[in-house]
Amino acid sequence: SAVISQKPSRDICQRGTSLTIQCQVDSQVTMMFWYRQQPGQSLTLIATANQGSEATYESGFVIDKFPISRPNLTFSTLTVSNMSPEDSSIYLCSVDRANYGYTFGSGTRLTVV
Amino acid sequence: GENVEQHPSTLSVQEGDSAVIKCTYSDSASNYFPWYKQELGKRPQLIIDIRSNVGEKKDQRIAVTLNKTAKHFSLHITETQPEDSAVYFCAATHSGNTPLVFGKGTRLSVIA
Repeated sequence: SAVISQKPSRDICQRGTSLTIQCQVDSQVTMMFWYRQQPGQSLTLIATANQGSEATYESGFVIDKFPISRPNLTFSTLTVSNMSPEDSSIYLCSVDRANYGYTFGSGTRLTVV
Repeated sequence: GENVEQHPSTLSVQEGDSAVIKCTYSDSASNYFPWYKQELGKRPQLIIDIRSNVGEKKDQRIAVTLNKTAKHFSLHITETQPEDSAVYFCAATHSGNTPLVFGKGTRLSVIA
């Protein structure tokens, strides 16, 4: 299956600060997806990142809060800005690899204090 | 947009028994339906998937069935083992670079 390297794996951050999460894929993919998984909950799509264009955000998520970069076909970053304790979650990137299905990065466990 | 409902939210079975988890979807254009297993502290792992041109797919103790008319699909695990204990998520999408929409998950406990 696709190898997705995601970092950091975890972080504890002060409220009001920002954290940038990186995902590197071992091959070129058209779309990269960013999800949030709150404690004990399912995965909720934040946005879809397409190289060369602005990310498409789901209802309830805005670019100012979750800016995304997609500089090439193997890499993307998600920034969680001006963090509050409610942002404490696991953040996951995902890609669709033909014949392998949708695979996920290892996740970033964020705690905001 | 797509909406995926998943039931039950929790399921306890005795080791060796079968477990069934059911999902319904709303968008008739969805044509790809994967199932993920997530163990505590780990990423979701794809365990089986089915496309809309197939009614059933089996992989050892795991099977998935799809009823396109009723817009529901199910995960069947036979001869359950303690290591099957995890949270299972169903999902749906149009295949081809569109995001997955997930159900709320089922916490399966297999009691030895």
